Amino acid sequence: GQNIDQPTEMTATEGAIVQINCTYQTSGFNGLFWYQQHAGEAPTFLSYNVLDGLEEKGRFSSFLSRSKGYSYLLLKELQMKDSASYLCAVSDSNYQLIWGAGTKLIIKP
Amino acid sequence: ETGVTQTPRHLVMGMTNKKSLKCEQHLGHNAMYWYKQSAKKPLELMFVYNFKEQTENNSVPSRFSPECPNSSHLFLHLHTLQPEDSALYLCASSQDLGGGGNTIYFGEGSWLTVV
Repeated sequence: GQNIDQPTEMTATEGAIVQINCTYQTSGFNGLFWYQQHAGEAPTFLSYNVLDGLEEKGRFSSFLSRSKGYSYLLLKELQMKDSASYLCAVSDSNYQLIWGAGTKLIIKP
Repeated sequence: ETGVTQTPRHLVMGMTNKKSLKCEQHLGHNAMYWYKQSAKKPLELMFVYNFKEQTENNSVPSRFSPECPNSSHLFLHLHTLQPEDSALYLCASSQDLGGGGNTIYFGEGSWLTVV
C-alpha cells in the first residue's frame, strides 16, 4: 500500500529552527508537496520538489531524497505565526496525491 | 482569500436532513475536488471533476452526492448522514488534472456536524 509518515506533533521555540520530516512509500513518484494549514483555515501551498536537493524560499526550505523516500521542511527564525499544521503529500505514478496526516507545530515564546 | 470559496462555513444537521455544501472557484481552473478532513487523519479524496465531468469517486457512500454544473461551481449534496460523517469538508481546484507540479488550491472548508 501507499504510505506517508510524518510526526504528529512538534514543539519549537520562537526564533529557533525546526525540521519536519516526511517519509513516503508510493507506487511511483511525480513530486512532493508541502502545505501549511492554520487552525480553521484552508491548506496553503508552500513548496514542490521533484528533483533531489534543497529548495529555499525565504525562511522555509524543502529537501528531497528520492532514493531514500524522504523529505523535510526546514523552518528558520521561527515566528509565532508559524504555529500550524504542515501537510506532506506525494504525487504518485497516476498523479494522485497521497497525503500524510500532518504535523502540528507548536511555537513557544 | 485563496480564490476558492465555500459555503456554509459551519453546518449542523440531523441524520434525516438534506443539505448541500457549495464551492466556487475564481481561478479559471479546470479541475475541482472534494476532500474530507478528519482529526489526525490524512486528507481523504472523495470526488474529482475535470471540465465538469466526474473522473473519480473514491468509494464514497451514496449519501454523499456531488454535482458540478460548470467548471467554476461544485456542490456536495448530503442526505441521511451518520455521526461519523462529521468532519471538515474541503473543496479544491487545480489548473488541470495530472502533471507533477499541478498545485491544488483549497477553500477554507465547511465544518459539518451530524447530530
